[in-house]
Amino acid sequence: AAGVIQSPRHLIKEKRETATLKCYPIPRHDTVYWYQQGPGQDPQFLISFYEKMQSDKGSIPDRFSAQQFSDYHSELNMSSLELGDSALYFCASSHFRQEIYNEQFFGPGTRLTVL
Amino acid sequence: AQSVTQPDIHITVSEGASLELRCNYSYGATPYLFWYVQSPGQGLQLLLKYFSGDTLVQGIKGFEAEFKRSQSSFNLRKPSVHWSDAAEYFCTHMDTGRRALTFGSGTRLQVQP
Repeated sequence: AAGVIQSPRHLIKEKRETATLKCYPIPRHDTVYWYQQGPGQDPQFLISFYEKMQSDKGSIPDRFSAQQFSDYHSELNMSSLELGDSALYFCASSHFRQEIYNEQFFGPGTRLTVL
Repeated sequence: AQSVTQPDIHITVSEGASLELRCNYSYGATPYLFWYVQSPGQGLQLLLKYFSGDTLVQGIKGFEAEFKRSQSSFNLRKPSVHWSDAAEYFCTHMDTGRRALTFGSGTRLQVQP
């Protein structure tokens, strides 16, 4: 079965550079979530999109932006990178239904290292 | 604020022994609770979920969890642990207003031969 695809899997950047992370949801999934997991920490919700519109915002820094495209893939853009941005970035996707609960399927993550 | 707490940061059990990972939640209404597992270098996999109905829920890989409102707990159990169960386990809940997941701090499970 198709899973959530994230690219790249690993990324190394210098301070103050920019980075773009990509997420390709499971086919027919219309909702994408981004999470950040710092070293030894639990994942923290950053932002989510439903039908190409931002649906919720968590602890996403102003230096970060994201969007969901017409094919439902999403990109997380990170500017003015700081050492503290080094983390594992997860994307999850789900298919919206009327019920409250929509299982989120996680991708393998992109490990970003800022030097 | 709604939250989940995992009191145990690290647990070591012997292969074949039983396992219980603790999770406590703080929330007024019935929460939507989940257990995820993260193997080293891997993504997060859903083990099981609870949002209504039977308080004992069965999951994949032989795991189960019991929702106890009186104790505000949602502990994960497995009767016999396998070496492949070594991983990080996260108790999470979903804020019904936002659908994003809030994670506990995680419990790292080591399995001794």
